[in-house]
Amino acid sequence: GENVEQHPSTLSVQEGDSAVIKCTYSDSASNYFPWYKQELGKGPQLIIDIRSNVGEKKDQRIAVTLNKTAKHFSLHITETQPEDSAVYFCAATVYQTGANNLFFGTGTRLTVIP
Amino acid sequence: DVKVTQSSRYLVKRTGEKVFLECVQDMDHENMFWYRQDPGLGLRLIYFSYDVKMKEKGDIPEGYSVSREKKERFSLILESASTNQTSMYLCASSLSGTGDNEQYFGPGTRLTVT
Repeated sequence: GENVEQHPSTLSVQEGDSAVIKCTYSDSASNYFPWYKQELGKGPQLIIDIRSNVGEKKDQRIAVTLNKTAKHFSLHITETQPEDSAVYFCAATVYQTGANNLFFGTGTRLTVIP
Repeated sequence: DVKVTQSSRYLVKRTGEKVFLECVQDMDHENMFWYRQDPGLGLRLIYFSYDVKMKEKGDIPEGYSVSREKKERFSLILESASTNQTSMYLCASSLSGTGDNEQYFGPGTRLTVT
């Protein structure tokens, strides 16, 4: 099955700086890569995703890049704000049996220091 | 807005007890999932269901079972709770179809088995 590795496990940045979280995956058949943000006391929530036919996607201060050849993808957050502090999970999926099983990374705890 | 609710935020049970965790979604989603979340291990899939009365094992089904008698409700059952099942349990749902549909998560149930 798919194996997703995520680094770093913790990340602290000063407010206004950029943050980068990196993930690698093992299954070359994976074609969809979402990122989820989990705030304290809540379930994860989708913040951005990318499909394998695209190399980069941006949404305001967040962007995701994908390198299919190297099988890695990254989340970039620019101009970080305290409300960006959360745990971030990358995921990859291979469609099977009618449900979209997501294979998650181990998470990155981002702390933005005011 | 999609809403996924879980019956309890916190539960404390004794070793050997039978435990039921309930999840309800209100968006007529076909797919439902149960994950457990542990520090350093990310989210691991226990069971999923892509239709009423259908269930499929995820990555870590041992010690768990599930029930989906109605489309909106997906229950996770610990037949005989053990201390190594102390964890955060997250339920999620998504539309059927292609593998790139967003998963919507509930707030989680923190289960402690003593």
